[in-house]
Amino acid sequence: KQEVTQIPAALSVPEGENLVLNCSFTDSAIYNLQWFRQDPGKGLTSLLLIQSSQREQTSGRLNASLDKSSGRSTLYIAASQPGDSATYLCAVGPYKLSFGAGTTVTVRA
Amino acid sequence: AAGVIQSPRHLIKEKRETATLKCYPIPRHDTVYWYQQGPGQDPQFLISFYEKMQSDKGSIPDRFSAQQFSDYHSELNMSSLELGDSALYFCASSYQGENTEAFFGQGTRLTVV
Repeated sequence: KQEVTQIPAALSVPEGENLVLNCSFTDSAIYNLQWFRQDPGKGLTSLLLIQSSQREQTSGRLNASLDKSSGRSTLYIAASQPGDSATYLCAVGPYKLSFGAGTTVTVRA
Repeated sequence: AAGVIQSPRHLIKEKRETATLKCYPIPRHDTVYWYQQGPGQDPQFLISFYEKMQSDKGSIPDRFSAQQFSDYHSELNMSSLELGDSALYFCASSYQGENTEAFFGQGTRLTVV
């Protein structure tokens, strides 16, 4: 059974600092990995999808890397803003997704 | 762009009642997934459908059932509701293949009182 772990569970940084969120998974036989953002009580917004054959994916201030052999992914958010405050979850596929517990980020103005 | 639509957004039911949640996937998406997210927990996979056939099943209670209709919308039926069923229920859709992105709806918040 795939186990997904996210560290740290919570993170608080001043505005402008870069964020580094970690995700690890136990079964390296994944097909893809997605990073999501979730605001309190809200839905899941897909941020980035990395295919198993890719090493990284970028979208604006977001960059996600994937090291399938070591079972790790890292989400980098550059120049954080208060609007980045949310919970970030990683999930691995294929098909049904196995989620980590998330990292709750607070960006202080 | 069209997104995954879920209805209702909020639902309050009493214990032992029945609830029906609906999901309308993104047009041309052929796979629908249902997830349950309890308070402070990560989403847990319940069940999925590919081309209107059940494709996988997770930790879904026997009291729950689901189906996908000819127009690809899906419904999750929950009977004999318990207090522990209170959660956020998400529907997600994707278009075939192993590496495609899953898009989630805004969820239905079910409260059982």
